[in-house]
Amino acid sequence: DAGVIQSPRHEVTEMGQEVTLRCKPISGHDYLFWYRQTMMRGLELLIYFNNNVPIDDSGMPEDRFSAKMPNASFSTLKIQPSEPRDSAVYFCASSKAGVGRYEQYFGPGTRLTVT
Amino acid sequence: GENVEQHPSTLSVQEGDSAVIKCTYSDSASNYFPWYKQELGKRPQLIIDIRSNVGEKKDQRIAVTLNKTAKHFSLHITETQPEDSAVYFCAASIGSDYQLIWGAGTKLIIKP
Repeated sequence: DAGVIQSPRHEVTEMGQEVTLRCKPISGHDYLFWYRQTMMRGLELLIYFNNNVPIDDSGMPEDRFSAKMPNASFSTLKIQPSEPRDSAVYFCASSKAGVGRYEQYFGPGTRLTVT
Repeated sequence: GENVEQHPSTLSVQEGDSAVIKCTYSDSASNYFPWYKQELGKRPQLIIDIRSNVGEKKDQRIAVTLNKTAKHFSLHITETQPEDSAVYFCAASIGSDYQLIWGAGTKLIIKP
């Protein structure tokens, strides 16, 4: 398996523009997590899905952020409109449910810069 | 809410010495405790994990210990090498859910 795939790897955009980040989880995994990482705030969970259904979105910072998972092999995180404080590395991770199995596999991340 | 505290935030050790990173958690229902290593510019990757029915687990130079009564767990790295330089994150499961709550990370610096 190719692992978790994210695109784009780098994104530079101007304030006010819409940004869409994409993720393909590992085939067969039924949990998908979106994280944001910054120096100041560390690794923050934004939202996670189980079998394509959003379970907890309490980490989504505000209404400008939205996430979807239309099928088991694809998820998007959208920021509209983007702001400079959204600059961060965004990771997608997936895991497979099982007794005592919680390992999360991370994608390579998308480095977002909003100017 | 539930949280995980990790100490120290930065740890500098001489190559060949041991390094210890400690975490405490608040959710008494947590039963899974992984450690992830993140090298500069890379993704976090699992290096070792422990479940609540085990007190200690070893994998070559790394080991993790768990004290459920005190709600703390630690990562031990022996005979440190330059390639051990990275940020290490601890995490704890939240109840029976598959969500993890993460520590703030420890930057480990190995001095030659």
